[in-house]
Amino acid sequence: EVQLVESGGGLVQPGGSLRLSCAASGFTFSNYWMAWFRQGPGRGLEWMAGINPDGSESYYVDSVKGRFTISRDSAEKSLYLQMNSLRVEDSAVYFCARADKSSYDPWGQGTLVTVAS
Amino acid sequence: IVMTQSPLSLPVTPGEPASISCRSSQSLLRSDGFHQLTWYLQKPGQSPQLLFYLASNRASGVPDRFSVIGSGTDFMLKISRVEAEDVGAYYCMQTLQGPITFGQGTRLEIK
Repeated sequence: EVQLVESGGGLVQPGGSLRLSCAASGFTFSNYWMAWFRQGPGRGLEWMAGINPDGSESYYVDSVKGRFTISRDSAEKSLYLQMNSLRVEDSAVYFCARADKSSYDPWGQGTLVTVAS
Repeated sequence: IVMTQSPLSLPVTPGEPASISCRSSQSLLRSDGFHQLTWYLQKPGQSPQLLFYLASNRASGVPDRFSVIGSGTDFMLKISRVEAEDVGAYYCMQTLQGPITFGQGTRLEIK
């Protein structure tokens, strides 16, 4: 069974940092593009960042460029999101997802990030 | 690419049909004839689950009472007979051009 499990969320102060992880299983991780999405409280879905299969290319939404870094480790079958200079508006549930058939499926269950003082 | 859904709220009586519109600010047609449009359903408390990819390809396990019509910039998700399990937020998403963008979401509720 294809599965993605996020971890690393929590409460952090504005200006702080957090590293999210996404553990993949049930498929050949090194063959797929991967991405991070988020969903703010009571809000819709937003794409954050994507990375190619070998980790040599990455893309970001403008609002997080220079603050967030997506990376992956094929040996660990894991995807990461390093988040620096966090803002209150970054508070959200963060999901990882696998790219497939010009879409993203499946998604993990999400990890909650709360930025507050 | 800006994605616009309507309505944002959709109360439906069980057994009745329902439709959700999704419009894009640019055509989602790619050179091989496929549209890079995806539909998701996010049930309460869950992560999004794939309904349709490449506009009208039904994902595994999706009942055939769900269908998608449309092309170019205008698409419609149709449910022939709504059931209680269909409650949740429906999102369209485009992957033709970066950044990937979503519609605002349509909340389907049972009357």
